[in-house]
Amino acid sequence: GNSVTQMEGPVTLSEEAFLTINCTYTATGYPSLFWYVQYPGEGLQLLLKATKADDKGSNKGFEATYRKETTSFHLEKGSVQVSDSAVYFCALKEAGTALIFGKGTTLSVSS
Amino acid sequence: DTAVSQTPKYLVTQMGNDKSIKCEQNLGHDTMYWYKQDSKKFLKIMFSYNNKELIINETVPNRFSPKSPDKAHLNLHINSLELGDSAVYFCASSQGEPNTEAFFGQGTRLTVV
Repeated sequence: GNSVTQMEGPVTLSEEAFLTINCTYTATGYPSLFWYVQYPGEGLQLLLKATKADDKGSNKGFEATYRKETTSFHLEKGSVQVSDSAVYFCALKEAGTALIFGKGTTLSVSS
Repeated sequence: DTAVSQTPKYLVTQMGNDKSIKCEQNLGHDTMYWYKQDSKKFLKIMFSYNNKELIINETVPNRFSPKSPDKAHLNLHINSLELGDSAVYFCASSQGEPNTEAFFGQGTRLTVV
């Protein structure tokens, strides 16, 4: 079946550091890929998405590129801020199915 | 105006009780979901409804029963609550295919004591 694997956290960075959170997936068809963010005590918010191979999703300085050859969708940001501290979830979805999430990666950014 | 709203936000109850969580979306979406987030933050799909019809029913104890009176509402009723049911439950909705994103509610933190 379909699945998503994310790097284990927590990830601890200083402000303005470069961020990478790795995500790989297994899918039987042609999924869309997503990154969601969950701030403490809140629900999940869509951060970015990509619907086909080689698409790049971007939002708020975060980027991720849909790489079909490596079945990956790594999240990157050039310079993190304290306000980026949250839990980040990689997810995939195929037509007619629900979102399948990775286990989440906790990011902690200190000033 | 909240897009996907759940009530209550917090629910503390004793083992053996029956409780319900309500969810409403004002986005005009045709598909709604219930997810369970455990203490390690892992999110797992429980149910999905499309236009009031059940389309996904994962391996969930039959003590959990979703009900969709119309496509804007998806409620979750839980019978005979157990300690292991303690979690955060998220409602979500999405529209159209293929592969559109889901919008999530704020979650209901259920604690069974």
